[in-house]
Amino acid sequence: QQPVQSPQAVILREGEDAVINCSSSKALYSVHWYRQKHGEAPVFLMILLKGGEQKGHEKISASFNEKKQQSSLYLTASQLSYSGTYFCGTEGNQAGTALIFGKGTTLSVSS
Amino acid sequence: GAVVSQHPSWVICKSGTSVKIECRSLDFQATTMFWYRQFPKQSLMLMATSNEGSKATYEQGVEKDKFLINHASLTLSTLTVTSAHPEDSSFYICSAGAGGLYEQYFGPGTRLTVT
Repeated sequence: QQPVQSPQAVILREGEDAVINCSSSKALYSVHWYRQKHGEAPVFLMILLKGGEQKGHEKISASFNEKKQQSSLYLTASQLSYSGTYFCGTEGNQAGTALIFGKGTTLSVSS
Repeated sequence: GAVVSQHPSWVICKSGTSVKIECRSLDFQATTMFWYRQFPKQSLMLMATSNEGSKATYEQGVEKDKFLINHASLTLSTLTVTSAHPEDSSFYICSAGAGGLYEQYFGPGTRLTVT
C-alpha cells in the first residue's frame, strides 16, 4: 500500500528549514528517502531501519518511528541544490523487497 | 557507491514494435533487480521484481506478456516492451540490490517514446 507523503509541495528561501513526512498504514521494515531532479533518476539519501533510529547527513536528517509507522525528513538551512522532488520508499516485512514509493514532495528553494 | 547502468538512455519507436532495455550492475552482483515506471510528475510505480535465474514477479495490473523481463545473470536484467503503444511512453527505471540490508541502487533511467 502506497505511503502517504505530506506536504505535497514546499517553497523555501535559502537558509530556511523544512520537514517532509511519510506515513504508512502497514508495518514497515525500513524507510528509504530519495531526491529526484527533473529528468533524472532518483538519488539515494538514506535508509532508516525499524528500531526508531535517526540518521543524518550534513544538514539533512531523518527519523523513523516504527510504532507509528512514520518517518520524517528534516532539511535544515536549505540550499538551492536541495530543490527537487523527495520520495519516501517503504519496505514491508523483510529486507531486500521492492520499495513502494509515496507520491513525492516537491521542494523549491529560491535565493 | 555501486553503479547501475541502463541502456539506452532514450528511445523513440513506432507503435507496434518492440523495445529492449538493459539494466546492468557494474561493480556488484545483484541478486534482485526491480523495474519501475514513472509517468510525468508522478511517483515511481513498481512493475516487477526479478531474481537471477527465476521468473519475474509482476505487480497487479502489469501485463507479463507485454513487459518481458529476463534476469539472465547476476549483473544483467532486461525489460522488453512488446508491441509498444503510445500509452507505454514513460520513464523506465531499474534498481538493483545485493540483498539484505543494502540500499537499492538506481539506474539513470530510460525514456521511451512511442509514436
